[in-house]
Amino acid sequence: NAGVTQTPKFQVLKTGQSMTLQCAQDMNHNSMYWYRQDPGMGLRLIYYSASEGTTDKGEVPNGYNVSRLNKREFSLRLESAAPSQTSVYFCASSEYYGRVREPQHFGDGTRLSIL
Amino acid sequence: ILNVEQSPQSLHVQEGDSTNFTCSFPSSNFYALHWYRWETAKSPEALFVMTLNGDEKKKGRISATLNTKEGYSYLYIKGSQPEDSATYLCASTGNQFYFGTGTSLTVIP
Repeated sequence: NAGVTQTPKFQVLKTGQSMTLQCAQDMNHNSMYWYRQDPGMGLRLIYYSASEGTTDKGEVPNGYNVSRLNKREFSLRLESAAPSQTSVYFCASSEYYGRVREPQHFGDGTRLSIL
Repeated sequence: ILNVEQSPQSLHVQEGDSTNFTCSFPSSNFYALHWYRWETAKSPEALFVMTLNGDEKKKGRISATLNTKEGYSYLYIKGSQPEDSATYLCASTGNQFYFGTGTSLTVIP
């Protein structure tokens, strides 16, 4: 009963390094999301994928790229990490019926530090 | 971007007190309002999804109401317990989720 699985759970990078955060869901959801959580800022949407084959920018997309590899997997890439990208990253998935989106299911988060 | 606001930002209550907090959202083009509970070092968990004006939802000691015409939702906790300590997030949905910044609740034993 995995739900949404994120890897890695922790990562430390040096400025300028690149890395990819992986996310997979086993609930057959169409929509997947990447958020970052910073103190006092709540959850801010980086990118989302409404369905397989589509991706759209959220509130804070600069410095990130995403790939919806298939229905299950949605990855987030930092091409050249910057200290401002130090954050906790959450992946989520949900389904929607008509206009109403079902609740999101979240992964456990990836704590990323950029030195 | 939808502007979803929550108040207060933080709240400390004594064990046994009842409490409530507010989520405000744009009333135009409303689809649904979600409430989540987010414990420290964990991931957010869904509490309620509400869609209709006047909706009321209840789960144990936690309940929520919705007013889509004026654009607000209240979350109530009756007889707060230390295990209720968490951040409570609301989100309004269109083609994506628009989260407020949350209300941090601390219940003092």
